[in-house]
Amino acid sequence: DARVTQTPRHKVTEMGQEVTMRCQPILGHNTVFWYRQTMMQGLELLAYFRNRAPLDDSGMPKDRFSAEMPDATLATLKIQPSEPRDSAVYFCASGLGRLAGAEDTQYFGPGTRLTVL
Amino acid sequence: GENVEQHPSTLSVQEGDSAVIKCTYSDSASNYFPWYKQELGKRPQLIIDIRSNVGEKKDQRIAVTLNKTAKHFSLHITETQPEDSAVYFCAAGGTSYGKLTFGQGTILTVHP
Repeated sequence: DARVTQTPRHKVTEMGQEVTMRCQPILGHNTVFWYRQTMMQGLELLAYFRNRAPLDDSGMPKDRFSAEMPDATLATLKIQPSEPRDSAVYFCASGLGRLAGAEDTQYFGPGTRLTVL
Repeated sequence: GENVEQHPSTLSVQEGDSAVIKCTYSDSASNYFPWYKQELGKRPQLIIDIRSNVGEKKDQRIAVTLNKTAKHFSLHITETQPEDSAVYFCAAGGTSYGKLTFGQGTILTVHP
């Protein structure tokens, strides 16, 4: 049963430190999504990629957040410097993603719970 | 862009009752409407989805209906059980490489 994996599962860090979260999409999926979930904001889309190219990162604070896909099996989300307001659960999801497709199901990873002190 | 509104934000029912969660969307081009269930501390998981060429879909105790004219869709859970307690998210998409716009979620509590 193929699944999206994320590391680390939990991260506690101090304000100002760099945080890197990693995601391995399901093999064969060509779209990757990063979401942030807090109690107040639900599932907030930060950025997404298709065939490793960024399609939309308008939901991401550009001054401190960056997202990349070094290769088809790895997506990264980096925060530098981190702030207490970044504390949240960060989910990665992957899918087949066609332009106007009938198969747009997204499969979520287990998430990274980030706490910035 | 797409906007999805979900109601109610919380729903409390007795075991055995039915639960209904409703969502509206704004982009008439959207053609894919999944529902996700998220248990406490877990990942969102797809429980059912519907595409715009279908008006209703059922899977055991779960059903989803779609009204494209009114741009709304609903999740129906019958014979609810305590294990149905979770947060449920609706979403709309199908127009941009798999991008989904999610509703704000409904916290469903099923009392034994």
